[in-house]
Amino acid sequence: EAGVAQSPRYKIIEKRQSVAFWCNPISGHATLYWYQQILGQGPKLLIQFQNNGVVDDSQLPKDRFSAERLKGVDSTLKIQPAKLEDSAVYLCASSLGGPGNQPQHFGDGTRLSIL
Amino acid sequence: AQSVAQPEDQVNVAEGNPLTVKCTYSVSGNPYLFWYVQYPNRGLQFLLKYITGDNLVKGSYGFEAEFNKSQTSFHLKKPSALVSDSALYFCAVRDNSGNTPLVFGKGTRLSVIA
Repeated sequence: EAGVAQSPRYKIIEKRQSVAFWCNPISGHATLYWYQQILGQGPKLLIQFQNNGVVDDSQLPKDRFSAERLKGVDSTLKIQPAKLEDSAVYLCASSLGGPGNQPQHFGDGTRLSIL
Repeated sequence: AQSVAQPEDQVNVAEGNPLTVKCTYSVSGNPYLFWYVQYPNRGLQFLLKYITGDNLVKGSYGFEAEFNKSQTSFHLKKPSALVSDSALYFCAVRDNSGNTPLVFGKGTRLSVIA
């Protein structure tokens, strides 16, 4: 089966600019996650979708970050305006729905550098 | 609140020797526990999980992990390390209510020396 697809792989922008990342999950996976992975740390959940509804966005900095999954399939994460501390790898993951014991399948991420 | 501790930033082991990567956790209820591996410039790959039942869990690439409830640990093990096992390893936990996010440790870098 095809894995989780993310684009772009790399992005360099200046602070205060905007950027968007795209993710296409594994076919049939109802749950989609966006994570932020700062160098030297484990991934931190930003937002979780179940189909096209938000399940958890408690750690999403909503003043600058937004995400959508309008048709319950692919998703976009946006940052506007970007800050220096947003430099990180943004990982998308997907899993089958269910009780939370399903493994998550990760894309290769987008490495964001803020100048 | 849930948390994961991976006490070692780096583990070095000779090829052919057994390896252990340590993980301890804290959750309010019963845990779902996971191990993932990350190669350079790649996403995380699932290795194994503990949900319930047998405390020894076997996973991909010859890895296994032992759940120890009294010590709140879930150490990753492999009987004979390969150079290709060199990577970053993450332990993760969530409670089994399913209503909390998966929380990752900071990772342990495994280096297998030929």
